[in-house]
Amino acid sequence: TQLLEQSPQFLSIQEGENLTVYCNSSSVFSSLQWYRQEPGEGPVLLVTVVTGGEVKKLKRLTFQFGDARKDSSLHITAAQPGDTGLYLCAGNPDSWGKLQFGAGTQVVVTP
Amino acid sequence: EAGVAQSPRYKIIEKRQSVAFWCNPISGHATLYWYQQILGQGPKLLIQFQNNGVVDDSQLPKDRFSAERLKGVDSTLKIQPAKLEDSAVYLCASSLDPAESSYNSPLHFGNGTRLTVT
Repeated sequence: TQLLEQSPQFLSIQEGENLTVYCNSSSVFSSLQWYRQEPGEGPVLLVTVVTGGEVKKLKRLTFQFGDARKDSSLHITAAQPGDTGLYLCAGNPDSWGKLQFGAGTQVVVTP
Repeated sequence: EAGVAQSPRYKIIEKRQSVAFWCNPISGHATLYWYQQILGQGPKLLIQFQNNGVVDDSQLPKDRFSAERLKGVDSTLKIQPAKLEDSAVYLCASSLDPAESSYNSPLHFGNGTRLTVT
């Protein structure tokens, strides 16, 4: 059983469309991280959210941490083929220690 | 700064054989992690070192997996004997200081070793 549930598992969209992926848990997290992993590479950290209700923007990517710090979302505006990858959320259920990963959402953006 | 280095990139072995992976973390990073990522899943922590001591190996199958971090720098992960279900990507990561939360000490991953057990 995954502590962090990500949805959808797979998402295929056309260039220019918007998309949202979700990361949900029944546990409270002190912080949540989002990573992107491209084929043949390790995950690369995109952002860390810490405060409930926090919204962070990274160019066309918008990350939100739920008020109760149990869930998070990633929204991509006007997706581009370079956004293709596996998006992983990860969090610490306690203040430090073992980072738990979700199973990821595979995003494919076609030209 | 140079990233986390891992070798080999790919390895194909038969079941019951042994295999070893090597990792060189970012210079100065005290903490080193080995993760297993099975196709379609997120990374699962196998073992965490702080310097050359083990912090967490609760999910390491100790009957067949072993890891060491000599001198608190490089690390090797060994599987002996391998099983079919060990087919996965083995990722090494490092972070500066685990005493702080992961917010202040993010993980840096290597590109992994893809292991296929036939």
